[in-house]
Amino acid sequence: EPEVTQTPSHQVTQMGQEVILRCVPISNHLYFYWYRQILGQKVEFLVSFYNNEISEKSEIFDDQFSVERPDGSNFTLKIRSTKLEDSAMYFCASSQTSGSGATQYFGPGTRLLVL
Amino acid sequence: GQQVMQIPQYQHVQEGEDFTTYCNSSTTLSNIQWYKQRPGGHPVFLIQLVKSGEVKKQKRLTFQFGEAKKNSSLHITATQTTDVGTYFCANNQGGKLIFGQGTELSVKP
Repeated sequence: EPEVTQTPSHQVTQMGQEVILRCVPISNHLYFYWYRQILGQKVEFLVSFYNNEISEKSEIFDDQFSVERPDGSNFTLKIRSTKLEDSAMYFCASSQTSGSGATQYFGPGTRLLVL
Repeated sequence: GQQVMQIPQYQHVQEGEDFTTYCNSSTTLSNIQWYKQRPGGHPVFLIQLVKSGEVKKQKRLTFQFGEAKKNSSLHITATQTTDVGTYFCANNQGGKLIFGQGTELSVKP
């Protein structure tokens, strides 16, 4: 069964450093998302992406964040200058269709620790 | 945007006991989805409910959407150790999933 994959599984970085989290969505999916989950808390929406454009972003997704689909398979989340509070699990998700009826499939996540 | 509140935060049960988690919203929801997250894992889609009063079953799991579409529940009959994890409800708002806080279920063998 096709799966969303994410790399790396863990990332440790110093405050102020840039990180890039990578995702390979399911191959025939067209809609991509990033979510984050701070330890012990609920999953929070960051951004949705379609046709090389951001469809929607949350308040969390400020100027320090950016997303990109650099090629036909990868979908990346960049945090330009990490803060301590960016420490979280970051999940990528993809769906074949859009809207409220679409099923989103989540990747295994990247655990980011900012020191 | 619409928020969903979920209770309880934790539930510890003996294997074989039943388990229920509840999700509530102050406003009408167009849909409610349920996800399971195993410890250390990622959210896995279980089901979506869209109709008022809808009830769906998956083996020992029963999902319900309230008549007013403001609340939902997930009930597990006769829990097993494989049911361990956090169960989240979520409202899909045009592709943006708004999650509840989740209910962490632990099952004592």
